[in-house]
Amino acid sequence: DVKVTQSSRYLVKRTGEKVFLECVQDMDHENMFWYRQDPGLGLRLIYFSYDVKMKEKGDIPEGYSVSREKKERFSLILESASTNQTSMYLCASSTNPNTEAFFGQGTRLTVV
Amino acid sequence: RKEVEQDPGPFNVPEGATVAFNCTYSNSASQSFFWYRQDCRKEPKLLMSVYSSGNEDGRFTAQLNRASQYISLLIRDSKLSDSATYLCVVNGYSGSARQLTFGSGTQLTVLP
Repeated sequence: DVKVTQSSRYLVKRTGEKVFLECVQDMDHENMFWYRQDPGLGLRLIYFSYDVKMKEKGDIPEGYSVSREKKERFSLILESASTNQTSMYLCASSTNPNTEAFFGQGTRLTVV
Repeated sequence: RKEVEQDPGPFNVPEGATVAFNCTYSNSASQSFFWYRQDCRKEPKLLMSVYSSGNEDGRFTAQLNRASQYISLLIRDSKLSDSATYLCVVNGYSGSARQLTFGSGTQLTVLP
C-alpha cells in the first residue's frame, strides 16, 4: 500500500520560531510537493522537487525553504514562523507529472 | 486569472440526483487532467483521470474539452457517501516547471 507520511498531524509554534515539517514517501517517487490549503483558496503550491537536491519554487514560496537530501524525504522549513503561515500543510509525491499524486494526511500548523 | 477555476458551490442535492461540475484551465499546454476527492479533514485522493475521449467509472463520468479548455465531472444517482469536496487538477508544464495545479474545489452535499 502506497504511503506518504507527514511527521505531525498538529503543531503549535510561536512567532519567530524555525519550523520543520517532514514528509517521507515509500514509493520511490521522483516528484515531491508541498502545498498549503486555506479556506476559499484551495491548495497552493509552495515548493516541489523532481530529484534529490533539486527544488523549484511554486506559487507561494516566500517565507519557506525546502530540503531534499534523500529521494524519500522532502522537508519544508519555515525560517521564522509568522501568524499568516497558520494553515494546513500537505505533502504529496508522484512518479511523474502525468500520474496520480499521493498525499500525506496533512499537518495543521498554528502559529501564535 | 486563476490557472484552474471551479464553481465553489456548495451544491446541495437529494439522493439519486445527477450533478455536474465544471472546471476551466488557462494553460493550453497542460497535458494531464484529474478529479480528486477530498473528504472533510482528510487529504485529497484521486477520483479519476480525465482523458480526451472521455471516461466513465461507474456512476462517474469525466469529460475534457481541449478547445474550450474545460473539464467536467458528472455524478449520476448521487449517494450520501458522495458528499465531499471535488478538486479539479491540471498537470502540465509552465516554463521549466512540472507541477500539479489545483482548483479551489467544489463542495457537494448529498441530502437524504
